[in-house]
Amino acid sequence: GNSVTQMEGPVTLSEEAFLTINCTYTATGYPSLFWYVQYPGEGLQLLLKATKADDKGSNKGFEATYRKETTSFHLEKGSVQVSDSAVYFCALNQAGTALIFGKGTTLSVSS
Amino acid sequence: SQTIHQWPATLVQPVGSPLSLECTVEGTSNPNLYWYRQAAGRGLQLLFYSVGIGQISSEVPQNLSASRPQDRQFILSSKKLLLSDSGFYLCAWTTSYRDQPQHFGDGTRLSIL
Repeated sequence: GNSVTQMEGPVTLSEEAFLTINCTYTATGYPSLFWYVQYPGEGLQLLLKATKADDKGSNKGFEATYRKETTSFHLEKGSVQVSDSAVYFCALNQAGTALIFGKGTTLSVSS
Repeated sequence: SQTIHQWPATLVQPVGSPLSLECTVEGTSNPNLYWYRQAAGRGLQLLFYSVGIGQISSEVPQNLSASRPQDRQFILSSKKLLLSDSGFYLCAWTTSYRDQPQHFGDGTRLSIL
């Protein structure tokens, strides 16, 4: 069945460091891929998405490229800020069914 | 624009008491609706989803139930809460198209004493 695997956290970085959070997926066909962010005590917010191979989603300095050959959708940011501290979820959607989420990766950025 | 409302934001209930959490969506018709639970420090667990009025699919057997009495209203219930029901409950909606994201409410923090 379909699944999403994220790197285990927590990820601890200093401000202005480069961020990569790995995400790989298993799915038949061509799913849509998403990254969500959850700040402490809040619901999930859509960060970015990509709907087909080689698409690059981007928002707030974050980027992720849909790589079908490696079934990956890694999240990157060139220079993180303290305000980026949150939990990040990778997810896929296929055929309009419920999203399948990874387990989430906690990012902690210190000044 | 579409909005999703979820309440209450915080709830403290004794073991064995009933539960009713409500979620409503505005600005769209015939949304797909979802209930998730997030235990402390863990990922999201899909509990129920609905593609239409009266149509509920359960993903995990448990003492919770869901109902959709109106097109844009989704209710999560329990007759008798357990300690293990503690967690952060999130409602979400989307359209039926596969490239559309889910949009989440602000969540309900449920603590069982």
